[in-house]
Amino acid sequence: GQQLNQSPQSMFIQEGEDVSMNCTSSSIFNTWLWYKQDPGEGPVLLIALYKAGELTSNGRLTAQFGITRKDSFLNISASIPSDVGIYFCAGRTYTGANSKLTFGKGITLSVRP
Amino acid sequence: DAGVIQSPRHEVTEMGQEVTLRCKPISGHNSLFWYRQTMMRGLELLIYFNNNVPIDDSGMPEDRFSAKMPNASFSTLKIQPSEPRDSAVYFCASRWESGANVLTFGAGSRLTVL
Repeated sequence: GQQLNQSPQSMFIQEGEDVSMNCTSSSIFNTWLWYKQDPGEGPVLLIALYKAGELTSNGRLTAQFGITRKDSFLNISASIPSDVGIYFCAGRTYTGANSKLTFGKGITLSVRP
Repeated sequence: DAGVIQSPRHEVTEMGQEVTLRCKPISGHNSLFWYRQTMMRGLELLIYFNNNVPIDDSGMPEDRFSAKMPNASFSTLKIQPSEPRDSAVYFCASRWESGANVLTFGAGSRLTVL
């Protein structure tokens, strides 16, 4: 089946630093999404990317849809303590009239004050 | 908008017992998804419905798991009999299929099977 690879499993950064996360796959996706999960909550959508090469920003977050449609990255600039959480990438494919998302295993981000 | 509502938030049960998890999707959304999250396997899609019809249940682990969506505003995920390896957080999510790909998740139901 389709798999999305996120590594490393955990990242530790200092407050104020920038951080970049990659997501790769051997499969092609039509849409890439980045979600963040806070402790005890469900994942929340951060950024959605719909076209190969697309670069989209949302505040301090920037994400890009890879040209090959097999990868995406998420950048967080000037990290703050509330950036702590699990960051998931997700890819969407279409199967006829329906579609579903495949999620990576996530990267747990810790921010030291 | 109250978002996706799941109940119970926490469930502790003994092996062999029946467990029923409930989900109310966002009003107007026509696709509903059940995911399971564990440390080892991350987020796994169990089943999804489109217009109340199950479209893909290939992620349902085995016959002990079943899911229903009797109407557009309610879905259940049932495990019978439950086993310790079923311990996980179960998420329900919904989306308007024809619109943007914004899958909205509930807060999850944390299941512990002793």
